[in-house]
Amino acid sequence: EPEVTQTPSHQVTQMGQEVILRCVPISNHLYFYWYRQILGQKVEFLVSFYNNEISEKSEIFDDQFSVERPDGSNFTLKIRSTKLEDSAMYFCASSQERGSNQPQHFGDGTRLSIL
Amino acid sequence: KQEVTQIPAALSVPEGENLVLNCSFTDSAIYNLQWFRQDPGKGLTSLLLIQSSQREQTSGRLNASLDKSSGRSTLYIAASQPGDSATYLCAVVGVSAGKSTFGDGTTLTVKP
Repeated sequence: EPEVTQTPSHQVTQMGQEVILRCVPISNHLYFYWYRQILGQKVEFLVSFYNNEISEKSEIFDDQFSVERPDGSNFTLKIRSTKLEDSAMYFCASSQERGSNQPQHFGDGTRLSIL
Repeated sequence: KQEVTQIPAALSVPEGENLVLNCSFTDSAIYNLQWFRQDPGKGLTSLLLIQSSQREQTSGRLNASLDKSSGRSTLYIAASQPGDSATYLCAVVGVSAGKSTFGDGTTLTVKP
């Protein structure tokens, strides 16, 4: 069964540095999402992306964050100047359609640790 | 704004027991509801997806029900095993926005 893949599985970065988290969604999917989960807290929505533009973003997704689909397969989340509170597990998801009977397929996540 | 609540927050049962996990949501205008399993420090494993038009879904020892009008879903686990120990999350996809809204999860411990 096709999977959403995320790299790296664990990223350690110094505070203030830029970090790029990478995701390869399922090939025929059109909707892409990023979520994050701070340790011990619930999974929170960050941003959704469709047709090469952001369709929705949460209040967490401020100017430090950006997303991009640089080619036909990758979907990236960039954090420009990382802060300690950005330490979390980041999940990428994709779906074929928006809602309906199609589930969102989640990757295994990237654990981001900011030192 | 959609809010998802899961009760109980934690549950400890002896092996072999049947158990029910509860999920409630405030906005009944949903496309679907998904139940996930999450092991400590790991990703999200999808267990069951219930479409808004469905009442229940079954997979092996798992049965999930959905009452959209009352904003409730239950996950029934039959004959629990120590390997079922994990955190169980429910998430709804709302009609007004395509994103998933997650509950806090129920942490299940099944004792041998």
